[in-house]
Amino acid sequence: AQTIHQWPVAEIKAVGSPLSLGCTIKGKSSPNLYWYWQATGGTLQQLFYSITVGQVESVVQLNLSASRPKDDQFILSTEKLLLSHSGFYLCAWSLDWGNEQYFGPGTRLTVL
Amino acid sequence: GEKVEQHESTLSVREGDSAVINCTYTDTASSYFPWYKQEAGKSLHFVIDIRSNVDRKQSQRLIVLLDKKAKRFSLHITATQPEDSAIYFCAASPDSNYQLIWGSGTKLIIKP
Repeated sequence: AQTIHQWPVAEIKAVGSPLSLGCTIKGKSSPNLYWYWQATGGTLQQLFYSITVGQVESVVQLNLSASRPKDDQFILSTEKLLLSHSGFYLCAWSLDWGNEQYFGPGTRLTVL
Repeated sequence: GEKVEQHESTLSVREGDSAVINCTYTDTASSYFPWYKQEAGKSLHFVIDIRSNVDRKQSQRLIVLLDKKAKRFSLHITATQPEDSAIYFCAASPDSNYQLIWGSGTKLIIKP
């Protein structure tokens, strides 16, 4: 069975500090991977997608970057956090585009 | 670019009745329309999807309708149960660009 993990579960960080969020998918090779951001009580915004290791495409510019160093790992990071980065970060995978996406449990980020 | 509008921010129905959530989209090139459910404080789970080559799809108590002329799609939940209470998100995407554009969410409340 496939599993998706995100770490950390929650973070409280200071404005201007760096950030790294991680996502690991087990039990599925070469999945499509996605990062989403959800403002508190708000809609979702897709941030990045990756269809193969080493290749990541940006969907919106939010002073964030992403990398896929391994087939089963997706990393979201920034060198300098803004207050507007607060929210819920969700990683997801799918077999292919146009298929059901499976979401991780999410990381709740608070920037103070 | 594509915009998705989700018309009902909150919908309250009596247990056993049907609930209907409506979404409209702007890009005629969109061809994939999934629905996801989010329970309070949790991640997203896939509900049902429809592609533009059909206008109706049913999975047990869930029916999704697509009207391409009106650029409108809707989720019908029949015989609602307490566990249907959640926020429901619609989304739309052209098949080719690996992006999902999301609606703002509808909070469905099932009253006893």
